[in-house]
Amino acid sequence: SAVISQKPSRDICQRGTSLTIQCQVDSQVTMMFWYRQQPGQSLTLIATANQGSEATYESGFVIDKFPISRPNLTFSTLTVSNMSPEDSSIYLCSVESGRGIGEQFFGPGTRLTVL
Amino acid sequence: QKEVEQNSGPLSVPEGAIASLNCTYSDRGSQSFFWYRQYSGKSPELIMFIYSNGDKEDGRFTAQLNKASQYVSLLIRDSQPSDSATYLCAASSGSARQLTFGSGTQLTVLP
Repeated sequence: SAVISQKPSRDICQRGTSLTIQCQVDSQVTMMFWYRQQPGQSLTLIATANQGSEATYESGFVIDKFPISRPNLTFSTLTVSNMSPEDSSIYLCSVESGRGIGEQFFGPGTRLTVL
Repeated sequence: QKEVEQNSGPLSVPEGAIASLNCTYSDRGSQSFFWYRQYSGKSPELIMFIYSNGDKEDGRFTAQLNKASQYVSLLIRDSQPSDSATYLCAASSGSARQLTFGSGTQLTVLP
């Protein structure tokens, strides 16, 4: 499976500021995904990021709040904009294996606390 | 709306017993199904996938799929304390093969 890293691993931010999370993969992948996992809850898909096209957002998530970049096949960023305490969560990126069955592998996550 | 349902637990089993985790899904178009294990403070780790009806075994783990009943299960034989974690069921569907996750079942294996 691919080796995935995320930066930062954790951060504490002030209300109203923005944070950009980076996701780096050690091999080229077509599909990358961004998830949110709120405390004690399961994973919710924010958006799907394909290289060379605009990200596709799930219901309840908008580009102005969570802009995503996908400049190449090994890298993506997610920005959490104008943060509020409700954005405190773990943000995870994942990549699809490319074997055509939909399996995804996850990065270590970014733990965000908004004060 | 695509949904994946799991018993939230917590589920406790003694060491050496069989742990049985269950999952149902609403989207009949779902193609593949996955079980992830998530230790506290860690990211999900893929442990099994299944896409054909029947059983699939890998070591102490057996995944079962019944598409007619829209039911997926995971059996863990000879449970160990190190198996204590939250187990997430996920279903893949759509052209982008997006995953829909269940809420997870917290398993505790008692020594």
